[in-house]
Amino acid sequence: KQEVTQIPAALSVPEGENLVLNCSFTDSAIYNLQWFRQDPGKGLTSLLLIQSSQREQTSGRLNASLDKSSGRSTLYIAASQPGDSATYLCAVCSNFGNEKLTFGTGTRLTIIP
Amino acid sequence: EAQVTQNPRYLITVTGKKLTVTCSQNMNHEYMSWYRQDPGLGLRQIYYSMNVEVTDKGDVPEGYKVSRKEKRNFPLILESPSPNQTSLYFCASSLLLGQLYEQYFGPGTRLTVT
Repeated sequence: KQEVTQIPAALSVPEGENLVLNCSFTDSAIYNLQWFRQDPGKGLTSLLLIQSSQREQTSGRLNASLDKSSGRSTLYIAASQPGDSATYLCAVCSNFGNEKLTFGTGTRLTIIP
Repeated sequence: EAQVTQNPRYLITVTGKKLTVTCSQNMNHEYMSWYRQDPGLGLRQIYYSMNVEVTDKGDVPEGYKVSRKEKRNFPLILESPSPNQTSLYFCASSLLLGQLYEQYFGPGTRLTVT
């Protein structure tokens, strides 16, 4: 059974700093990994999707990496801004035919102005 | 605008009173699913559908029903809600071959059962 862990559960950093969020998963037989952002009272916004054959994906100030063999992914946020404050979730798709995403419990990020 | 919509967004009900949460997508996606989100447990899949008239159980299907009569709609039905179904519910959709495509989520429905 796939399990996804995100540590730490909460993180506070001053504005302008670069930061890294971590995600680990127990079964390396994944098809893709997706990072989401969740704002209070709102839905999930997809940030980046990394296919299992890829090592990283970039979108603006965000860079996600994937090391499938070690069961790890990181989300790097450059030059953090107060608007980056949210909960970040990673999810893996590891069951072709079901398309199910297995989610971590998230890291709540606070950017201090 | 491509989107997944859910209604209602907030619902307070009493134990045993049947309810339906609607989900609709305008992206012609084959795949749709329902998740619930609970503190400390993350999001867990309830039911999913690969296409019209094709549905199957996810990880936590007990107490829920779904139907997929049209491609765009995937309602979640609670025949006899109980307090342990108090949760935040999300509908999601994507093109099939989930290994290739990202999943899009609705805004969520916060359900309270008293």
